[in-house]
Amino acid sequence: EIVLTQSPGTLSLSPGQRATLSCRASQSLDSRYLAWYQQKAGQAPKIIIFGASARATGIPERFSGSGSGTDFTLTISRLEPDDFAVYHCQQYATSVPITFGQGTRLEIK
Amino acid sequence: EVRLLESGGGLVQPGGSLRLSCAASGFTFYNYAMDWVRQAPGKGLEWVSSISGPGGTTYYADSVKGRFTISRDNSKNTLFLQMNSLRAEDTAVYYCATPKGGAPSERWLKYWGQGTQIVVSS
Repeated sequence: EIVLTQSPGTLSLSPGQRATLSCRASQSLDSRYLAWYQQKAGQAPKIIIFGASARATGIPERFSGSGSGTDFTLTISRLEPDDFAVYHCQQYATSVPITFGQGTRLEIK
Repeated sequence: EVRLLESGGGLVQPGGSLRLSCAASGFTFYNYAMDWVRQAPGKGLEWVSSISGPGGTTYYADSVKGRFTISRDNSKNTLFLQMNSLRAEDTAVYYCATPKGGAPSERWLKYWGQGTQIVVSS
């Protein structure tokens, strides 16, 4: 099973700042098989990035994904109030089981 | 518009059973595999189970294997999760979700239901 470790656990930033979220895999991963989700309180997760760097439909350009091997990054270039949420990474290189990181909470400073 | 609507959650005693349903609409249900993913209070997401489009192939997380059974009724566009021998650690919000497609590179979860809460407690 591929274990994903996200850091930091909580990130406190202000609107307008740049956010950098990390997802590290326990073994090397084909970048085609890494996704990021945004989850707001009381809501289901929402896909924002798949294939490590492809934005899902309707996702603003300020969201970008990068990385390869074991290290992947989600960057939000200029935070807007609506971006404060929990972000989860997911690997689907091994479709069974697919696994998720423990999440990073992005909170307003 | 794709819609996934879970139901069947509630409070159950340890050792008890529940059956969750997920009603799907807005896409060709039998063409898509389906997943159950859960989220314990204050925790991350945990994949629980998957079923192929026709329903003949199923997979389970080790944590639920032998206790949970995933199934689907393609004539009614509905996904199920039969949960037996429930434990306190099964307490979570359970989401049904569907991947983008059938290829390995499409195994990310494009659509999610709103979730249904399960509480296992005496």
